[in-house]
Amino acid sequence: EVQLVESGGGLVKPGGSLRLSCAASGFTFSSYSMNWVRQAPGKGLEWVSSISSSSSYIYYADSVKGRFTISRDNAKNSLYLQMNSLRAEDTAVYYCARIGVGNTVDYWGQGTLVTVSS
Amino acid sequence: QTVVTQEPSFSVSPGGTVTLTCGLSSGSVSTSYYPSWYQQTPGQAPRTLIYSTNTRSSGVPDRFSGSILGNKAALTITGAQADDESDYYCVLYMGSGHWVFGGGTKLTVL
Repeated sequence: EVQLVESGGGLVKPGGSLRLSCAASGFTFSSYSMNWVRQAPGKGLEWVSSISSSSSYIYYADSVKGRFTISRDNAKNSLYLQMNSLRAEDTAVYYCARIGVGNTVDYWGQGTLVTVSS
Repeated sequence: QTVVTQEPSFSVSPGGTVTLTCGLSSGSVSTSYYPSWYQQTPGQAPRTLIYSTNTRSSGVPDRFSGSILGNKAALTITGAQADDESDYYCVLYMGSGHWVFGGGTKLTVL
């Protein structure tokens, strides 16, 4: 069974940093590209960042470019999101998501809440 | 800036059929955008329903179907049930590792 379990969320002050982790199991993690997708309270889904299976290709939404860094450790079956210079508008549930066939997310984690507030 | 459009809300009667759409602020949606659809209930993670325009994800009932209708992607629910009451999101793949989600449609079954 495919499982994606996020951790690392919490309350942080504006300008602060946080590192999210996603532990993957139930599939060959090193064979799949991965996404981070977020959802602000009461709002819709927003794609944040993607990383290819070997980390060769990395992409970011304009809203986080230069502040967030996606990475992965295939030996540890883990995906990460380093978030710096956090702003109030970064407050959201952050989902780790696997990219399957057809350039689409096929599995989602349960999400971790990041709250940016003074 | 690319905007993906969805109806903010829709209503369907139990047993009825509803079609939700996913468009582009500029241009037409085609299969090249690999349109996908997700269902989300409050407090839960999204669930993948349809990918690559019309392929149902594992375990999704066949009353959910995807297509291209005119210049938009479409999700049709046939024989709506009470537990179909959810938010539905489409996403389009823009290439170069970028995706854009629509704003979501809140579906009411009553």
